[in-house]
Amino acid sequence: GAVVSQHPSRVICKSGTSVKIECRSLDFQATTMFWYRQFPKKSLMLMATSNEGSKATYEQGVEKDKFLINHASLTLSTLTVTSAHPEDSSFYICSASDGDPYGYTFGSGTRLTVV
Amino acid sequence: QKEVEQDPGPLSVPEGAIVSLNCTYSNSAFQYFMWYRQYSRKGPELLMYTYSSGNKEDGRFTAQVDKSSKYISLFIRDSQPSDSATYLCAMTMNSGNTPLVFGKGTRLSVIA
Repeated sequence: GAVVSQHPSRVICKSGTSVKIECRSLDFQATTMFWYRQFPKKSLMLMATSNEGSKATYEQGVEKDKFLINHASLTLSTLTVTSAHPEDSSFYICSASDGDPYGYTFGSGTRLTVV
Repeated sequence: QKEVEQDPGPLSVPEGAIVSLNCTYSNSAFQYFMWYRQYSRKGPELLMYTYSSGNKEDGRFTAQVDKSSKYISLFIRDSQPSDSATYLCAMTMNSGNTPLVFGKGTRLSVIA
């Protein structure tokens, strides 16, 4: 089946630094990538949608200058959390779609802790 | 009214029980329905999917969609402790290029 590799699985960084999270579709072409944030015991909160080669579309309330999304190829998307603060600590999950209505595959998530 | 309503639980059942999980939705344009299972600190994994109304069975799992009532269900038979997870319903109107709309997720614990 379709596999999406997301790494790192967990990262601890100092306040003020930037962190990059990678999401790769291993055996299919991801025409669209989605980035989510999840708080403990809560559902997924969509942050942004990106199509290969286009600028990402951010959800209301998500700072696009803080959460930089790049989708430069059909197999790779990155989320960079810039100037991280403790309130950015969360579980971040990517999802890649090949355009099929059931073709949404999720990464295993990245636990970010900002100290 | 939220687009997708799902009781967050938690739901605790004994091993071997039949589990019924449900979601209701308000947008009649949804056509593709999915159930994801998410273990703690992991990404969601697709469990079942159905198109429009009807039933689909896969092993111990059955997914049902009733579009007239805007109601979807997931049944788990002979539940096992390994089924303990959060179950998220999700749906979309058309292609895979638009974000899924998720329910809040139901936390299920199956007690041995």
